[in-house]
Amino acid sequence: GDSVTQMEGPVTLSEEAFLTINCTYTATGYPSLFWYVQYPGEGLQLLLKATKADDKGSNKGFEATYRKETTSFHLEKGSVQVSDSAVYFCALTSAPRAGYSTLTFGKGTMLLVSP
Amino acid sequence: DTGVSQDPRHKITKRGQNVTFRCDPISEHNRLYWYRQTLGQGPEFLTYFQNEAQLEKSRLLSDRFSAERPKGSFSTLEIQRTEQGDSAMYLCASSVTGELFFGEGSRLTVL
Repeated sequence: GDSVTQMEGPVTLSEEAFLTINCTYTATGYPSLFWYVQYPGEGLQLLLKATKADDKGSNKGFEATYRKETTSFHLEKGSVQVSDSAVYFCALTSAPRAGYSTLTFGKGTMLLVSP
Repeated sequence: DTGVSQDPRHKITKRGQNVTFRCDPISEHNRLYWYRQTLGQGPEFLTYFQNEAQLEKSRLLSDRFSAERPKGSFSTLEIQRTEQGDSAMYLCASSVTGELFFGEGSRLTVL
């Protein structure tokens, strides 16, 4: 079945440092890939997505490229801020069934950014 | 705020009791999902509704769990005879197509 593996956290960085959170996946067919973010006390929010190989998703300075050859979708940001402190989830959805898809999530990676 | 609303936000109950959670999706979203998230894990799919029809149930959804969406708007998730292993955050999400919008979740603690 489908699965997502993320690097374990917490990831602790100083403000303005470079961020990478690794994500690899196993899926049938051609999945769509997502990064969700959960800020303290809030619900999950979609951060970015990519729907086919070599697509790059980007939002709020974060980027991730869909790499089919390495089955990866690593999240990067060039300069993190304290406000980026949150839990980040990598997720995928396989080929839709009857027009809908369910998400398979990784375990999440906590990011802590200090001033 | 017209986001996904869940109630209650936190429920503490004793083992063996029944609990019910409610989810109000974003209006006009015809798709509604329930997920469960335990500590240190990512959300796991439980069940999916399109309008009032329950189209998919995960094997995680044991016989003690039942979900309904009677009029195709709000949904309820009931857990009967709760067990300590049911302690988790129960997340609801809704969508029209594509992106899922999640609520803040209902945390269940079973003593």
